[in-house]
Amino acid sequence: EAGVVQSPRYKIIEKKQPVAFWCNPISGHNTLYWYLQNLGQGPELLIRYENEEAVDDSQLPKDRFSAERLKGVDSTLKIQPAELGDSAVYLCASSYGTGKQFFGPGTRLTVL
Amino acid sequence: GENVEQHPSTLSVQEGDSAVIKCTYSDSASNYFPWYKQELGKRPQLIIDIRSNVGEKKDQRIAVTLNKTAKHFSLHITETQPEDSAVYFCAASRASGGSYIPTFGRGTSLIVHP
Repeated sequence: EAGVVQSPRYKIIEKKQPVAFWCNPISGHNTLYWYLQNLGQGPELLIRYENEEAVDDSQLPKDRFSAERLKGVDSTLKIQPAELGDSAVYLCASSYGTGKQFFGPGTRLTVL
Repeated sequence: GENVEQHPSTLSVQEGDSAVIKCTYSDSASNYFPWYKQELGKRPQLIIDIRSNVGEKKDQRIAVTLNKTAKHFSLHITETQPEDSAVYFCAASRASGGSYIPTFGRGTSLIVHP
């Protein structure tokens, strides 16, 4: 069984530029999570989807961040415009009802 | 919201020793407590979990204990090996709708010296 796939693995951009991250969850997993992980810290939840519905986006900075999960499978997370403080690893995870989450490899974003 | 405290932030042990990592949580509605291991540059991987109706769970060299009354849970690793070196994260999760809302601790860097 294929795991959670994320791309790109690394992204370097200049501040004020837009950036997008893509996630493909494990087949059949209806719940998808996006996290932000700063160096030396635990993952922080940004948004949680159940199928195509964003059921919890209270921690998503909506002035610059947006996300979508069309058709309830793949998801994209976008930042526009990026700021220096957005440099971090962006993790995607999926699960199916049990709470057990399976993480993708993450996208390491560097904003210059 | 939920608040998870994890201690220690760094733990250094000799190979063969035991290691214990402790977490406390604040929300009594949390009912699922997973532990993740993250090696440098890799994804977090679930190593063991426990639900609120169970007090202890063991899987070979690792075990987790839960005290619901005191709102704390711990990870125990026995006979540590160098390959156990990694960052370990605890999480407290509560059910919401058809899924769970997790809150992670800040992590413990475990170093096992050969």
